[in-house]
Amino acid sequence: SQQGEEDPQALSIQEGENATMNCSYKTSINNLQWYRQNSGRGLVHLILIRSNEREKHSGRLRVTLDTSKKSSSLLITASRAADTASYFCATDAPIDDKIIFGKGTRLHILP
Amino acid sequence: DGGITQSPKYLFRKEGQNVTLSCEQNLNHDAMYWYRQDPGQGLRLIYYSQIVNDFQKGDIAEGYSVSREKKESFPLTVTSAQKNPTAFYLCASSIMQGSSYNEQFFGPGTRLTVL
Repeated sequence: SQQGEEDPQALSIQEGENATMNCSYKTSINNLQWYRQNSGRGLVHLILIRSNEREKHSGRLRVTLDTSKKSSSLLITASRAADTASYFCATDAPIDDKIIFGKGTRLHILP
Repeated sequence: DGGITQSPKYLFRKEGQNVTLSCEQNLNHDAMYWYRQDPGQGLRLIYYSQIVNDFQKGDIAEGYSVSREKKESFPLTVTSAQKNPTAFYLCASSIMQGSSYNEQFFGPGTRLTVL
């Protein structure tokens, strides 16, 4: 089944730097979502971008979508210790009305 | 406070036992979901429900059962037929109009360990 695949699997950066994570998918989508998960917790929705949108902002988050390359990126600017978490992209399932999550990028912000 | 609650937070099960995980939401959402998460992995869909008294199997439904008798509640039973049930279980809900068009709200999760 279609699945978003995040890259890199893990990322460590210094506090204050920008963090970029990528998501690639296989078939056409209607929407792509990004979620954050703190260790041992539930997921929190960050942003949804529709297939006719190219870029979306929310606070320090910037999401881009390139449907020709079937990829999306999540940029977190001026990272903070609290941004340490796993980040997942989620895309439409090709047939039925569900979303499918990737395996996530584990982001660690170093003090 | 609106949200989703899951209980218990931690659950231990002996082999051969059935256990039921609770999920309740007061967001007035039509759709509810159960996911399983293994260490370092993404979420895999177990069951989902878009309306009371109706539910569909997800990708890994074998060994699990659900019910949806009330809009607010979507309990998951892990049966003895599930051979490797140790995992982190997450419940979620969303407004019905097509799950991919709406964000999902997640509960805090239940960590199930088989002894």
